[in-house]
Amino acid sequence: AQSVTQLDSQVPVFEEAPVELRCNYSSSVSVYLFWYVQYPNQGLQLLLKYLSGSTLVKGINGFEAEFNKSQTSFHLRKPSVHISDTAEYFCAVSELNTGFQKLVFGTGTRLLVSP
Amino acid sequence: EPEVTQTPSHQVTQMGQEVILRCVPISNHLYFYWYRQILGQKVEFLVSFYNNEISEKSEIFDDQFSVERPDGSNFTLKIRSTKLEDSAMYFCATLLDRDNQPQHFGDGTRLSIL
Repeated sequence: AQSVTQLDSQVPVFEEAPVELRCNYSSSVSVYLFWYVQYPNQGLQLLLKYLSGSTLVKGINGFEAEFNKSQTSFHLRKPSVHISDTAEYFCAVSELNTGFQKLVFGTGTRLLVSP
Repeated sequence: EPEVTQTPSHQVTQMGQEVILRCVPISNHLYFYWYRQILGQKVEFLVSFYNNEISEKSEIFDDQFSVERPDGSNFTLKIRSTKLEDSAMYFCATLLDRDNQPQHFGDGTRLSIL
């Protein structure tokens, strides 16, 4: 069964600094990978996805992530964060061609951007 | 862009009562899911539904839970006898097909059990 690990429960950063949120996954088959953002008291918004092709994927709000198959990682990065990026970020995985592609989420990383 | 719609946005229910959470999927989507997020915790898979039957369910989805598409449009999650620990945000998600990712999420229903 697949699993997702987000080691950092909270990441404090100053505005305009770069940030990386780490995500590692475990699966015995090929996977799709996703990052979702959740603002306070709101639902889940897709930031970006990796399905196939280029391992560097770009998403909304200036975020990007790189799929590293050998390290089973899918870290999220942004070169310069804004106060408005303060939110909870969830990495998720679904397995290709098995079952009905439920999403398995990590425990989330709270990004705290301060001035 | 088409959206997944969930009602109500907030439901307050006495413990032991039945509750039905409703979801209107995107019209041509074929796969349907319910997820749960207890306050401050991660999002957890509950159940997937395809071709009018449950395709997969988690250990959380016990006999108190059921899902159906009663009229071919709404997709409902019923909790027969609610417990305090059922308090959570419940998200509905839909998927066109396996080759058209990602799943589209609704804004959720916050369920509060008193």
